[in-house]
Amino acid sequence: DQQVKQNSPSLSVQEGRISILNCDYTNSMFDYFLWYKKYPAEGPTFLISISSIKDKNEDGRFTVFLNKSAKHLSLHIVPSQPGDSAVYFCAASAAGKSTFGDGTTLTVKP
Amino acid sequence: ETGVTQTPRHLVMGMTNKKSLKCEQHLGHNAMYWYKQSAKKPLELMFVYSLEERVENNSVPSRFSPECPNSSHLFLHLHTLQPEDSALYLCASSQAREPSNIQYFGAGTRLSVL
Repeated sequence: DQQVKQNSPSLSVQEGRISILNCDYTNSMFDYFLWYKKYPAEGPTFLISISSIKDKNEDGRFTVFLNKSAKHLSLHIVPSQPGDSAVYFCAASAAGKSTFGDGTTLTVKP
Repeated sequence: ETGVTQTPRHLVMGMTNKKSLKCEQHLGHNAMYWYKQSAKKPLELMFVYSLEERVENNSVPSRFSPECPNSSHLFLHLHTLQPEDSALYLCASSQAREPSNIQYFGAGTRLSVL
């Protein structure tokens, strides 16, 4: 049973518009949620995180929203830039251990 | 050097070969991880070392053997692999017991088993 799911394998948006990447989880014991970004031929890099006691965390163009009742989180990128094109992984951690989603490939078109 | 470094970046091996993957971190972390990423599958956690002690072994076949001689180095010894073991192998490090478990990844080793 996959505890962290990213149901959209890909997303395409126009430069300057908003990108919204979604993630669902099943384990209510998760206490941190993270987003990682991966370019081809590189390892994933940490992007932004949110504690389960918050519902929003913002860092520049990136905002993560957490809806605990729905067990859902989303990453908003605004405005989207071509350099944001990458695979985005959602991860959830409990007791210092992380579980990753499948990833969503974001393409930002100029 | 900074960050997490993995060598080699690419490896082709036959099913009867023995090879090793190496990971080195320069971040002062004390937890290290091996992941397998196959095409169209989520990252699969293979092994976790925390404070140089193996704390997790996720039902990984014995043809994969990890070694963590110190907190900065991690190896994955490979022997008699199968073609289905072809994948991207990622190493990561983090600060043990840090609640958010932010991990820092290497670029990975692309392994092809013929």
